[in-house]
Amino acid sequence: GAVVSQHPSRVICKSGTSVKIECRSLDFQATTMFWYRQFPKQSLMLMATSNEGSKATYEQGVEKDKFLINHASLTLSTLTVTSAHPEDSSFYICSATPLVIEAGSSYEQYFGPGTRLTVT
Amino acid sequence: GQSLEQPSEVTAVEGAIVQINCTYQTSGFYGLSWYQQHDGGAPTFLSYNALDGLEETGRFSSFLSRSDSYGYLLLQELQMKDSASYFCAVSNQGGKLIFGQGTELSVKP
Repeated sequence: GAVVSQHPSRVICKSGTSVKIECRSLDFQATTMFWYRQFPKQSLMLMATSNEGSKATYEQGVEKDKFLINHASLTLSTLTVTSAHPEDSSFYICSATPLVIEAGSSYEQYFGPGTRLTVT
Repeated sequence: GQSLEQPSEVTAVEGAIVQINCTYQTSGFYGLSWYQQHDGGAPTFLSYNALDGLEETGRFSSFLSRSDSYGYLLLQELQMKDSASYFCAVSNQGGKLIFGQGTELSVKP
């Protein structure tokens, strides 16, 4: 099956520092990767859509200068949280899809295991 | 705007059948997915409906009515391990998934 990994699984950083999270598709090439944030007991909120070789598309309300996304290859996307603050503490999850999206076709995103970020 | 409504929590006993409903209002719609998430884990895909009707996968079934903007997930022969959060999600243009708030299912012995 399609496997997506994330690294690190947990990270604690001090306020003001930057943290990089990696998302890798291990056994397929991901044309598109997505980044989500999830607060405790809440839903997954889409932050941005990342396509290999192009700029990420950010959802409304997500600061692109704070959450830097790079999708340098078909198997790797990175999210950098810059100048992190305690309110950025959250569960960050990436997903990837190898499929060409067509209306009516079966569609599935493969999720990574998530990265729990704590900013002190 | 886009919104998905599903119950916040459901409780059932082992061996029972439970249905989790989802209604949606979205600007674009390609299909309705269901995901399961255990505490601290990643969401795992359960099912996808692009067309009206029932899709069955083992103990789980999912239904969609596009005209009613409504779908449900049916879980049969409930097991303790089914205790988790269940999210409906709409697929729209560009392959984005817009998630509902999630339903926390508690299965009791």
